[in-house]
Amino acid sequence: QKEVEQNSGPLSVPEGAIASLNCTYSDRVSQSFFWYRQYSGKSPELIMSIYSNGDKEDGRFTAQLNKASQYVSLLIRDSQPSDSATYLCAVNGFTGGGNKLTFGTGTQLKVEL
Amino acid sequence: SQTIHQWPATLVQPVGSPLSLECTVEGTSNPNLYWYRQAAGRGLQLLFYSVGIGQISSEVPQNLSASRPQDRQFILSSKKLLLSDSGFYLCARQIGGMNTEAFFGQGTRLTVV
Repeated sequence: QKEVEQNSGPLSVPEGAIASLNCTYSDRVSQSFFWYRQYSGKSPELIMSIYSNGDKEDGRFTAQLNKASQYVSLLIRDSQPSDSATYLCAVNGFTGGGNKLTFGTGTQLKVEL
Repeated sequence: SQTIHQWPATLVQPVGSPLSLECTVEGTSNPNLYWYRQAAGRGLQLLFYSVGIGQISSEVPQNLSASRPQDRQFILSSKKLLLSDSGFYLCARQIGGMNTEAFFGQGTRLTVV
């Protein structure tokens, strides 16, 4: 079982719609969760971080965390063509050697005009 | 400043040649540092992470190695490159413990020919 799983997509949504991106993780002791956006050929950039169960909103973005079900999601409201990118879910766990930040393979989002 | 410097931006190397990629960071001391590799169209593969000088945890095959000779310097090396080593190499840092975000450098795109 992969440590962090995401659907690869592509997920296509019309401009102005809500895009919903999902992620599941296997390590129950994971404490912190992140969403990154990656444009083609560029390095990932942080969008959201979430540490507690529930919702966290930042502008058009809402992250949702459910530790009991081991999933985290990202909602993008009023999707824009500029939101077209690959979205990476990352989970921070702890091993004997210290922190370990593990990424999913990413979901490609396409926002269509 | 919490800037992350990676160089070179692009690199073409023949099979069997050595490799040295350097990452240096500015700002807060004792960051957690990571090396990731992203093959074309794939997710981020964790290669190495380091919680301090001389402390390296490895997740990968034997032809790659990492070193952290100084607090803000993280080096990825290989004695003999393989074709499969081609990819986008990313250095990342976390300032503190588990609940802190990771930020990426601009990456090095390596092509092994």
